[in-house]
Amino acid sequence: DGGITQSPKYLFRKEGQNVTLSCEQNLNHDAMYWYRQDPGQGLRLIYYSQIVNDFQKGDIAEGYSVSREKKESFPLTVTSAQKNPTAFYLCASSPGQGDNSPLHFGNGTRLTVT
Amino acid sequence: SQKIEQNSEALNIQEGKTATLTCNYTNYSPAYLQWYRQDPGRGPVFLLLIRENEKEKRKERLKVTFDTTLKQSLFHITASQPADSATYLCALIISGSARQLTFGSGTQLTVLP
Repeated sequence: DGGITQSPKYLFRKEGQNVTLSCEQNLNHDAMYWYRQDPGQGLRLIYYSQIVNDFQKGDIAEGYSVSREKKESFPLTVTSAQKNPTAFYLCASSPGQGDNSPLHFGNGTRLTVT
Repeated sequence: SQKIEQNSEALNIQEGKTATLTCNYTNYSPAYLQWYRQDPGRGPVFLLLIRENEKEKRKERLKVTFDTTLKQSLFHITASQPADSATYLCALIISGSARQLTFGSGTQLTVLP
């Protein structure tokens, strides 16, 4: 079955450490996205990539970095510069053709930083 | 910037009734509006999409309406079942906005048996 795999499901880190969240898709989608979800708030876009080796900042990119070396993979690094890193992180993909393509989401990584 | 609001954080209804969830937006009219379902601890799953020139869209027990005058979309689940209990998110996209969706914070629906 095609889909998006995020790992790990739960991640715990000490403050001041960088951490990388994995996102892999086998849907052959061109576009990939990272969102952050906090209680009572809508999903907020961190970064997105419409093609390999290219990505753009979303609304809340500060303190995060990404890479897109392969079509299937879009890892997100949460750096020590991110002031409130504890959140539920969602990766998504879409075919990349047309603005109305629905997003396919992974099942998220819950990051807790203490 | 675009703002999107969903009517309430939580909605409880009795099994068999119709659930109606509201999504209101401000500023620019979106070209498309999408609805997603999210279960606890999981990612959202796409349900329906409606375009600005469509008044209504149906899929099985689901119906979505889009009123650009009221700047509102309504999401209906008829003959609701306990399995419909989840959080429902609306999301809109403005044409030409580089594929960025704006999401509402969601409405948590509980269908009571």
